Amino acid sequence: DQQVKQNSPSLSVQEGRISILNCDYTNSMFDYFLWYKKYPAEGPTFLISISSIKDKNEDGRFTVFLNKSAKHLSLHIVPSQPGDSAVYFCAARDLNFGNEKLTFGTGTRLTIIP
Amino acid sequence: DSGVTQTPKHLITATGQRVTLRCSPRSGDLSVYWYQQSLDQGLQFLIQYYNGEERAKGNILERFSAQQFPDLHSELNLSSLELGDSALYFCASSAGTGPYEQYFGPGTRLTVT
Repeated sequence: DQQVKQNSPSLSVQEGRISILNCDYTNSMFDYFLWYKKYPAEGPTFLISISSIKDKNEDGRFTVFLNKSAKHLSLHIVPSQPGDSAVYFCAARDLNFGNEKLTFGTGTRLTIIP
Repeated sequence: DSGVTQTPKHLITATGQRVTLRCSPRSGDLSVYWYQQSLDQGLQFLIQYYNGEERAKGNILERFSAQQFPDLHSELNLSSLELGDSALYFCASSAGTGPYEQYFGPGTRLTVT
């Protein structure tokens, strides 16, 4: 049962353009969402998060949008840079059970083309 | 550098053996989490410890166990290893319980032959 889905395994974007990574979830009890970025041979690095009470959070070139009614979130990167090439994981947390485990999607490999 | 350290980086062992993976959390972090990433899979949550106590369990096999010591480092023990246990094992830490971001270590790549 894949509760967090990233349906695009890969995405290629020209340098300087906008990258949009998408994530869908099925568990309506998720109340906190995070994006992680992963380079080869490294652990995931926290990028940005959003609480379910918000619909947008921005941090520099990164913006996360949350559409609760559609159970969908997206990560926008503007402008895209070569160093953004990595695998991006969407993750969600359900705090209602009193634990902080993260449920991860399978990742989207983003390639920025110079 | 996240501040989370994991040893060893790579581990190659045979089926039926037992191994121990070690994790040191960021300074001051009380929660430690273990995740498994198999080929082409997302990260699967295994177990969480908070200040020495088990706090949450995920899809952790009975052959696997973990503990968190008084100095807050954690160990993940994998026994009776099978080929399917080959994976990347990540440790993460966070400041406590609640909506804190988790910071990941570089992982241990386990290969079972």
